[in-house]
Amino acid sequence: DIQLTQSPSFLSASVGDRVTITCRASQGISSYLAWYQQKPGKAPELLISAASTLQSGVPSRFSGSGSGTEFTLTISSLQPEDFATYYCQQLNSYPPGRTFGQGTKVEIK
Amino acid sequence: EVQLVQSGAEVKKPGESLKISCKGSGYSFTSYWIAWVRQMPGKGLEWMGIIYPGDSDTKYSPSFQGQVTISADKSISTAYLQWNSLKASDTAMYYCARLVSRSGPLDYWGQGTLVTVSS
Repeated sequence: DIQLTQSPSFLSASVGDRVTITCRASQGISSYLAWYQQKPGKAPELLISAASTLQSGVPSRFSGSGSGTEFTLTISSLQPEDFATYYCQQLNSYPPGRTFGQGTKVEIK
Repeated sequence: EVQLVQSGAEVKKPGESLKISCKGSGYSFTSYWIAWVRQMPGKGLEWMGIIYPGDSDTKYSPSFQGQVTISADKSISTAYLQWNSLKASDTAMYYCARLVSRSGPLDYWGQGTLVTVSS
């Protein structure tokens, strides 16, 4: 099974900060990676697919990059509504093995 | 508008059975895979399995194979997640979500169904 490791697990930042979250895969997954945002008490929402394709309606301050085994989600200028938990998910495996990273919680400093 | 609407919260006792539902609307329900995702209290997301409502082809994560049953009734655009004998460790929020394609991400999510198993 492909394992995903996110870092950091917890991040404290201020409004306006540039934030970067890393997701590392245990083996190469090309660009088969998605990023989701989950706010407390809500279902996750898709932010980015194919490692770098921003979903319609997602603010341009979000961006994704990477391929192979290392990926990043960047928020260029953190806004109050961005405080949430972020998950990566690999889409390379046959469907039963579509693992998620353990999550990165972004909190207000 | 694409919507996935899940059934309401459930409180059950260990050993009881349960079937929760996820009704799709605003798109061709038979043309997209539906996934089920577990989130235990305070924890991350876990991929349970998927079903293609068009022909009920189903794939389970090894961790959930034999523990749950995923099914669908395409005549009413509804997918299901079922347990025959609940355990306290099944206490979690369960989400259904639509796959963009079999190799794609989850683009629409249900609101979640909270299942609490307690004696």
